[in-house]
Amino acid sequence: EVQLVQSGAEVKKPGESLNISCKASGYIFTNFWIGWVRQMPGKGLEWVGIIYPGDSTIRYNPSFQGQVTISADKSLTTAYLQWNSLKASDTAIYYCARRVALDIWGQGTMVTVSS
Amino acid sequence: DIQMTQSPSSLSASVGDRVTITCRASQGIRDDLGWYQQKPGKAPKRLIYGASTLQSGVPSRFSGSGSGTEFTLTISSLQPEDFATYYCLQHNNYPITFGQGTRLEIK
Repeated sequence: EVQLVQSGAEVKKPGESLNISCKASGYIFTNFWIGWVRQMPGKGLEWVGIIYPGDSTIRYNPSFQGQVTISADKSLTTAYLQWNSLKASDTAIYYCARRVALDIWGQGTMVTVSS
Repeated sequence: DIQMTQSPSSLSASVGDRVTITCRASQGIRDDLGWYQQKPGKAPKRLIYGASTLQSGVPSRFSGSGSGTEFTLTISSLQPEDFATYYCLQHNNYPITFGQGTRLEIK
């Protein structure tokens, strides 16, 4: 069964760093893109960016470029979304999803940034 | 960026009703469009891909149509479990963009 399992909820302070993960199973990890999507409280879906684990090609939404870093570890079949310095406005649920067309989704990771 | 204009933003309907949601792309996207259903507290679930192909396991009361710039999602006979928020998504061009969502509520 194809599955994406995300890391658990995080509560952080502004300025702190964070790395959330998305563990893939049930398919060949290096053959499919994995994307990240943000959903702020009570709001719609926003595409953050995407990575092709096979060659680590990454595309960012310009709105998120420089604010986050996407990476992947082929040996762990895991994709990551990283912040170096969190802001309160980063508070949201972050989803990972497979393929450019976002067919299979992870369960989401709630990130809360508050002083 | 390709803008996806989804309408209506909210909709009240009754069980058994036929409902149509529309997405308009700001430029042609061929059939690189998907429809998603999201229930409160849950991840989105893809219903339709390639504008009109039903995802495996999705009930046949859901259908999609369109190509180019105009797309529709139709639910032929609403069931209680269909009350949710629906989004379209284009993946023809980066950045990938979503419609604003349609909240489908019980009348």
